[in-house]
Amino acid sequence: QKEVEQNSGPLSVPEGAIASLNCTYSDRGSQSFFWYRQYSGKSPELIMFIYSNGDKEDGRFTAQLNKASQYVSLLIRDSQPSDSATYLCAVIYNAGGTSYGKLTFGQGTILTVHP
Amino acid sequence: KAGVTQTPRYLIKTRGQQVTLSCSPISGHRSVSWYQQTPGQGLQFLFEYFSETQRNKGNFPGRFSGRQFSNSRSEMNVSTLELGDSALYLCASSRERGDSYEQYFGPGTRLTVT
Repeated sequence: QKEVEQNSGPLSVPEGAIASLNCTYSDRGSQSFFWYRQYSGKSPELIMFIYSNGDKEDGRFTAQLNKASQYVSLLIRDSQPSDSATYLCAVIYNAGGTSYGKLTFGQGTILTVHP
Repeated sequence: KAGVTQTPRYLIKTRGQQVTLSCSPISGHRSVSWYQQTPGQGLQFLFEYFSETQRNKGNFPGRFSGRQFSNSRSEMNVSTLELGDSALYLCASSRERGDSYEQYFGPGTRLTVT
C-alpha cells in the first residue's frame, strides 16, 4: 500500500511567520511530488510541483525534496491570513506505466494564519 | 487559457438512481482523471482516461464508470446510488512535458444522495 503521510494539524502561525508543512511517502519509486492548496468549499489548486532533490522556489513558496529520506516539505514565507487553507501533499509513483494520471494524496494539513 | 470545467456543480439524487457528471479538460490536455473527495477518506483516485482509453483504475466498485470522447471531454457515471456516494467529485486534466508532470483540478461536482 503506497502511502502519503502529512504532519497532523491544525497548524497555526502568526502573520509574517514561516509556515512549514511536511510530507513523507512510502514508495521509493515515487517520481513527482505536488503541493495543492484547498480553501473550504473549493477544489484543490496546484501551487508547487517538484521532482528533483533539493529546493524549488516560487514566490513565497519553497518546496524541498529529499528522496533518500522520502520526504517533501513546503515552506511558506511571510505567511498571510489568505494562506489559511488545507494543504495537500500528493505523489505520483510513475507518470506513465502503471500509475497513469493517479496522484496519491495525503490527508492534508489545515493551516491557519492569524493576524 | 480556460481551466478545467465540470458540470453540473451541484446535484441531489435519491438512492438507487444513477448520475452522469461531465468534465472538459484544459485545451491541449489529453489525460483526464477523476477523484472522489469525502471528509473521512480524503481524495481518492477513481480512474484516468487518455485518448478515449481507460489507462488506470482505482479501487471503486463497478457502479463507477467513465468514458472519454474524441475531443478529450470525459463523463463519469455512478449507477444505483448509495448514501455513501455523497461526495465532491473532482476531475483533473494533466499534461506531461519531458520530466514535468502537472495535474489541474476542476471546480468539482458536489453530489448529495438522499
